[in-house]
Amino acid sequence: QKEVEQNSGPLSVPEGAIASLNCTYSDRGSQSFFWYRQYSGKSPELIMFIYSNGDKEDGRFTAQLNKASQYVSLLIRDSQPSDSATYLCAVSLTDKLIFGTGTRLQVFP
Amino acid sequence: EPEVTQTPSHQVTQMGQEVILRCVPISNHLYFYWYRQILGQKVEFLVSFYNNEISEKSEIFDDQFSVERPDGSNFTLKIRSTKLEDSAMYFCATRGPPNEKLLFGSGTQLSVL
Repeated sequence: QKEVEQNSGPLSVPEGAIASLNCTYSDRGSQSFFWYRQYSGKSPELIMFIYSNGDKEDGRFTAQLNKASQYVSLLIRDSQPSDSATYLCAVSLTDKLIFGTGTRLQVFP
Repeated sequence: EPEVTQTPSHQVTQMGQEVILRCVPISNHLYFYWYRQILGQKVEFLVSFYNNEISEKSEIFDDQFSVERPDGSNFTLKIRSTKLEDSAMYFCATRGPPNEKLLFGSGTQLSVL
C-alpha cells in the first residue's frame, strides 16, 4: 500500500509567523512531490512542486525534500489569515498522484 | 490562467441510476484524470486517460465506471449504477506534456440518495 502521511492538525499559528507542514511517504520510487492548498468545498490548487533533494523557494513558500528520510515539508513565511486552508501533500507514482489526508492550517490575527 | 471546466457543479441522483460527469480540458492538454474526494477524506485517484485510452486505473474504478472523450473536447466519467458510497466530490484534472503541472477543475458534487 503506497501511503502519504500527514498530521491532520489543526495547526494554529499567529499572523506573521512561520507555518511548518510535514509529510512522509512510503514508496522510495516516488519521483515528484507536490503541495496543494484546498479551501473548504473547493478543488486542490498547486502551490509548489519539488523533484530534487534540498530546498525550493517561491515567494513566501519553501518546499523541502529529503529522499533518504522520505520526508517533504512546506514552510509558509509571514503567514496570513488568507493562508488558512487544508494543505495536501501529494506524491507522483507512475502517472498518478497519491495524496495525504491534508493538514488544516489556521492563521489567527 | 486557463481553467478546467466541470459540469454539473452538483448532481443528485437515486441509487441505481446512471450519471455522467463532464469535463472540458484546457485546449492543448493531452493527459486527463478523474479523482474523487469523499467528504472529510483524502483525494483519491480513479483513472488516467491518454491518447483515447485508459493509461491506469485504481481499484475504485470498477466495471461500474467508464471514461471517454466522445467528441475530442469533453472528457466524461460515467457511473452506470450509482451506489450510496459513490457520493463524493469528483474532480477532473488535466495537464499538457509530462512534468507540466496538473490543473484541477472545480469539481462535481455527486449525492446518491
